[in-house]
Amino acid sequence: IQMTQSPSTLSASVGDRVTITCRASHSFNSWLAWYQQKPGKAPKLLIYKASTLERGVPSRFSGSGSGTEFTLTISSLQPDDFATYYCQQYNSYWTFGQGTKVEI
Amino acid sequence: QITLKESGPTLVKPSETLTLTCTFSGFSLNKSGVGVGWIRQPPGEALEWLALIYWDNGKRYSPSLKSRLTITKDTSKNQVFLTMTNMDPVDTGTYYCAHRPIATAGTTFDHWGQGTLVTVSS
Repeated sequence: IQMTQSPSTLSASVGDRVTITCRASHSFNSWLAWYQQKPGKAPKLLIYKASTLERGVPSRFSGSGSGTEFTLTISSLQPDDFATYYCQQYNSYWTFGQGTKVEI
Repeated sequence: QITLKESGPTLVKPSETLTLTCTFSGFSLNKSGVGVGWIRQPPGEALEWLALIYWDNGKRYSPSLKSRLTITKDTSKNQVFLTMTNMDPVDTGTYYCAHRPIATAGTTFDHWGQGTLVTVSS
């Protein structure tokens, strides 16, 4: 299953609502995760099963979708949120999207 | 508290074989359903899953790299190993190991090591 994220880069300001989209080449049931990665650091799991927030992740992050289209939304962008975000399907092995860089 | 740490050579020559070790704590690879995976990331590029080993010694490999990869474990030492043969400069990148919880948790790689940078160059 191929995963395609859009946009590749997103310019935003603190307080903005941000949405990142991930499209799958084949439909599957909600086995989708979102990660945040900062430079020089390992990815951090934010959301799994398309919409379940990982423990300790702020509630401004949310996920939705099913089938072939999934979204990650940040309701009010905070300074700590400027990073690269990856989607990952785990329905059939594991595949990552190409990433979306959220920059100021 | 789950922790993982990767170790291995930082520099390998083209055509050589790379062996990486993932040493973990805070969970047991004897527990039904648990797995440990390897993921890599070339500089400035996206993440790529490589391989995963389950508690029962079941193994999964990326189809595109399967012929070059071997994943094994030493449960008594809490270690997982990844071997990649015939290294090429395009294999340069940061290699991560990660914990995969039991399937009923419905989640995926939830704890990651800090990563180890491997450079392939003569």
